[in-house]
Amino acid sequence: NAGVTQTPKFQVLKTGQSMTLQCAQDMNHEYMSWYRQDPGMGLRLIHYSVGAGITDQGEVPNGYNVSRSTTEDFPLRLLSAAPSQTSVYFCASSWTSGKDTQYFGPGTRLTVL
Amino acid sequence: TQLLEQSPQFLSIQEGENLTVYCNSSSVFSSLQWYRQEPGEGPVLLVTVVTGGEVKKLKRLTFQFGDARKDSSLHITAAQPGDTGLYLCAGAKSNYQLIWGAGTKLIIKP
Repeated sequence: NAGVTQTPKFQVLKTGQSMTLQCAQDMNHEYMSWYRQDPGMGLRLIHYSVGAGITDQGEVPNGYNVSRSTTEDFPLRLLSAAPSQTSVYFCASSWTSGKDTQYFGPGTRLTVL
Repeated sequence: TQLLEQSPQFLSIQEGENLTVYCNSSSVFSSLQWYRQEPGEGPVLLVTVVTGGEVKKLKRLTFQFGDARKDSSLHITAAQPGDTGLYLCAGAKSNYQLIWGAGTKLIIKP
């Protein structure tokens, strides 16, 4: 099993550009989530999904969209990138909820100029 | 709002020393998880504690959940360079959301 995969590993955007961060898992997990990690602030939840077709907002959802058309994939879309979105983004999955063991991808380091 | 406070933020000690890191909150959590993160990688789960007062051991690492389920500690005995990393605690706010501390960056010098 590959576990949780994320692409790209690194990305540089200009302010106003849009892009999609890809996340996929092959563990048949129902729960998937996106976090951003900034120095001194820990991980902050952006959006999460409890199953295909179901998504909800986390702590910092503004500027980001998600969809969950399949169990395996959970892409994160930046609509119009801003320098404040410069961060490291992690996708995670677990069996059914936030209380279960979270399995993380390797992360995407995004810089917005 | 940072609901989980971790201390210290940074700790650098010599191999063989003991250390304790803390995770504190004014909120009650139904469970609390500890993760370790290495540079360029995602966090990896070390342990989950669920019951107030619970103590779990993982080789040289001892985890404790406070009686009131508001705080937790991680004690490492005879630290080794392989223990180096960022230690994160995360509390279950609900079934669907974890609240994370900012982490303790630990460096063990040979």
